Amino acid sequence: KQEVTQIPAALSVPEGENLVLNCSFTDSAIYNLQWFRQDPGKGLTSLLLIQSSQREQTSGRLNASLDKSSGRSTLYIAASQPGDSATYLCAVRPYSGAGSYQLTFGKGTKLSVIP
Amino acid sequence: KAGVTQTPRYLIKTRGQQVTLSCSPISGHRSVSWYQQTPGQGLQFLFEYFSETQRNKGNFPGRFSGRQFSNSRSEMNVSTLELGDSALYLCASSLDAYTDTQYFGPGTRLTVL
Repeated sequence: KQEVTQIPAALSVPEGENLVLNCSFTDSAIYNLQWFRQDPGKGLTSLLLIQSSQREQTSGRLNASLDKSSGRSTLYIAASQPGDSATYLCAVRPYSGAGSYQLTFGKGTKLSVIP
Repeated sequence: KAGVTQTPRYLIKTRGQQVTLSCSPISGHRSVSWYQQTPGQGLQFLFEYFSETQRNKGNFPGRFSGRQFSNSRSEMNVSTLELGDSALYLCASSLDAYTDTQYFGPGTRLTVL
């Protein structure tokens, strides 16, 4: 069954720093990978969706990459701001094996950007 | 375009009761999925409905059920509530295919006493 891991569980950085969040998954048979942010007690906001045939996606200060063969994705945040403080979750949608077609989530990385 | 809406936002129930949660997807979206989020287990998939049919189901007991109406609105029902059912229940909608972006609602916070 697909497993998604996000390391570190928490990260604290000073404002203005560029940072990278990591996501790894165990099975490369995926439709796509999606990054979300979640503010405390709130729902998830979709940030970027990378299809399995793509290598990266960009939106503003965010850039996500996907290396399906190694089971890894990174989310790069440029010039971090206090408003970026949130929990970042990655999720994959597998197309084979147990849990097929179900969006499978990591436990998230809690980011704190210090002013 | 309005986002995904969920009602109610907060619920307090006692053990043994049942509860119904509602989700209205983004206009034009035909797929609705439900997730349970707890501090210990994280986000777990409950089920997905597409055109009024359950297309996929997660590993939850039969006390958890759902349905989808012809206007794509969906309801989730939990019977015989247990303390461990306390969680944030999230609904997500997408256009159609598994390759589409999932958009989440704000969630319903269920507390079981």
